[in-house]
Amino acid sequence: EVQMVESGGGLVQPGGSLKLSCSTSGFTFSGSAIHWVRQASGKGLEWIGLIRSKGYGYATAYGASVKGRFTISRDDSKKTAFLQVNSLKTEDTAVYFCTTTNYWGQGTLVTVSS
Amino acid sequence: DIQLTQSPSFLSASVGDRLTITCRASQGISSFLAWYQQKSGRAPKLLIYGASTLQTGVPSRFSGSRSGTEFTLTVSSLQPEDFATYYCLQLSAFPFTFGPGTTVDIK
Repeated sequence: EVQMVESGGGLVQPGGSLKLSCSTSGFTFSGSAIHWVRQASGKGLEWIGLIRSKGYGYATAYGASVKGRFTISRDDSKKTAFLQVNSLKTEDTAVYFCTTTNYWGQGTLVTVSS
Repeated sequence: DIQLTQSPSFLSASVGDRLTITCRASQGISSFLAWYQQKSGRAPKLLIYGASTLQTGVPSRFSGSRSGTEFTLTVSSLQPEDFATYYCLQLSAFPFTFGPGTTVDIK
């Protein structure tokens, strides 16, 4: 059974940082690109970025609203991907999902508030 | 960036109705388009990829098609479990982008 489990969300002040994790099992993690997608309450889905597999040089790409503030990484030995979120703004408040585009986690909530 | 527009934004329908949702890309994306269904409080579920390939396990009443930069998701006969929000996603060029969504409600 495929599982993707996000963790690391929580309440953080504006300007703060968090590191989200995406722990996986049940599929070939090392060969898969991992995307991060977020959704603010009552709003649509926003693609944040992805990290490709070793075969593609672990290349990353990001959406405009997070470029320069968010960093995606991975540890293939632990079948885990990470999303480092820095310089957080109130508008970054959302549920953050990791996904392979067909498999999805349940999301982790990040709340940015003073 | 490639923009996706969806129409309609919202529609009310009845069980048994035929549903058609359109997603238009601001430039050519070949067939690098996926369709997702999302129910409240849940992660999205992949329905269609490559514009027209049905994901394994998705009922055959769902289908996708492409005409140039216009993509269509069709549900041949709406079932009670199909009332949800539907999103398209382009995977042609970075940054990937989602459409704004179409919410399907019970009439």
